[in-house]
Amino acid sequence: SQKIEQNSEALNIQEGKTATLTCNYTNYSPAYLQWYRQDPGRGPVFLLLIRENEKEKRKERLKVTFDTTLKQSLFHITASQPADSATYLCAPGGADGLTFGKGTHLIIQP
Amino acid sequence: DSGVTQTPKHLITATGQRVTLRCSPRSGDLSVYWYQQSLDQGLQFLIQYYNGEERAKGNILERFSAQQFPDLHSELNLSSLELGDSALYFCASSVGQNPREKLFFGSGTQLSVL
Repeated sequence: SQKIEQNSEALNIQEGKTATLTCNYTNYSPAYLQWYRQDPGRGPVFLLLIRENEKEKRKERLKVTFDTTLKQSLFHITASQPADSATYLCAPGGADGLTFGKGTHLIIQP
Repeated sequence: DSGVTQTPKHLITATGQRVTLRCSPRSGDLSVYWYQQSLDQGLQFLIQYYNGEERAKGNILERFSAQQFPDLHSELNLSSLELGDSALYFCASSVGQNPREKLFFGSGTQLSVL
């Protein structure tokens, strides 16, 4: 069955540094991959979508890569700020829709 | 504010009971999705409706059912509730039925089965 793996432990990053989150998937060949941000007690919020034929996608301080050979996506936040602290969900997708990972809890320390 | 409205925000009930969760999608969105989120399972897809018709089905139990009404709001019915059904239930909407479309999530309904 499909398996999505994200860092289960919280990631602590110092303010101003680049935060890098990893999403690995197995038994799956997604046509695209989405990233969402989720704050406590709130619903996920869409951040970025990257397609299988795209190596990299950027939006302001966010950058996503998609390596279909490694079956991995990396999510980068540059010049991180305490307001970036949240849980980030990786969601590879295909014809049947999205499969969400359990998320990585990111903490940006001032 | 995503524009997706879910009610109620909190629901406390007993085992064996039945509850109904309600969702109003963003204006103009035709697809509604239901997800269940628990600490150990993460966000699990339950079911999708598009313009009143069931479009896709995920890990939805037979005790659960959903429908989308002509005004596009949706209801998720959970019956014969068990302790393990305690979770956060999210509704999301999108414009069409293309699975690549980004989803807009509501704030969720926290269900506690005692």
